[in-house]
Amino acid sequence: DIVMTQSPDSLAVSLGERATINCKSSQSVFYSSNNLNYLAWYQQKPGQPPKLLIYWASTRESGVPDRFSGSGSGTDFTLAISGLQAEDVAVYYCQQYYSTPYTFGQGTKLEIK
Amino acid sequence: EVKLVQSGAGVKKPGESLRISCKATGYSFNNYWIGWVRQMPGKGLEWMAIIYPGDAETRSGPSFQGRVTISADKSISVVYLQWSSLQASDTAIYYCARVKSPGVLDEAVFDVWGRGTMVTVS
Repeated sequence: DIVMTQSPDSLAVSLGERATINCKSSQSVFYSSNNLNYLAWYQQKPGQPPKLLIYWASTRESGVPDRFSGSGSGTDFTLAISGLQAEDVAVYYCQQYYSTPYTFGQGTKLEIK
Repeated sequence: EVKLVQSGAGVKKPGESLRISCKATGYSFNNYWIGWVRQMPGKGLEWMAIIYPGDAETRSGPSFQGRVTISADKSISVVYLQWSSLQASDTAIYYCARVKSPGVLDEAVFDVWGRGTMVTVS
């Protein structure tokens, strides 16, 4: 199985500031034949199911604000949230869908400082 | 509107069997992979298994193989997750979720999620 490791486990950021969450995979999730990274990000607010934010490492899902951005390639990826808002308080998960089982990271809890 | 409606919460005893369900509406059920994700109390997400209702092909995580069975009934657009003998460690919320793109398992992210089914084994 591909192991996904996120850092940090939790972070507190002031309103309006930028939050960054890292995700590292135990093997590359880049597929050279189509030049795509098989990496997604989800947001889960308390008491709710997860919500897809980003896939192909940097493609925003429809309806997701453009202050959410994804970057990275191969084994190292980043989710950035600019202009943090109170509604962004949540746990964020990365997921690889390069090979089954499509494993998730352990999650990063984002709070307001 | 695409929706996944899951069966209600349940409390079971160790050793009992259980089947939970997820009813899909608003899209062509046969053509999209659909699966289950576990979330144990206070913990993260675990990818369990997916099924392609069109031909019943399945993929499962090694941690769950032999412990649970995923199946689908095309006639009523329902996907199931079944245990033959529950353990206390099966206590969790189980989410069903649909894979984003139809057909070939490539863009295999989950774009639509159910609200979750809480299973308590005690």
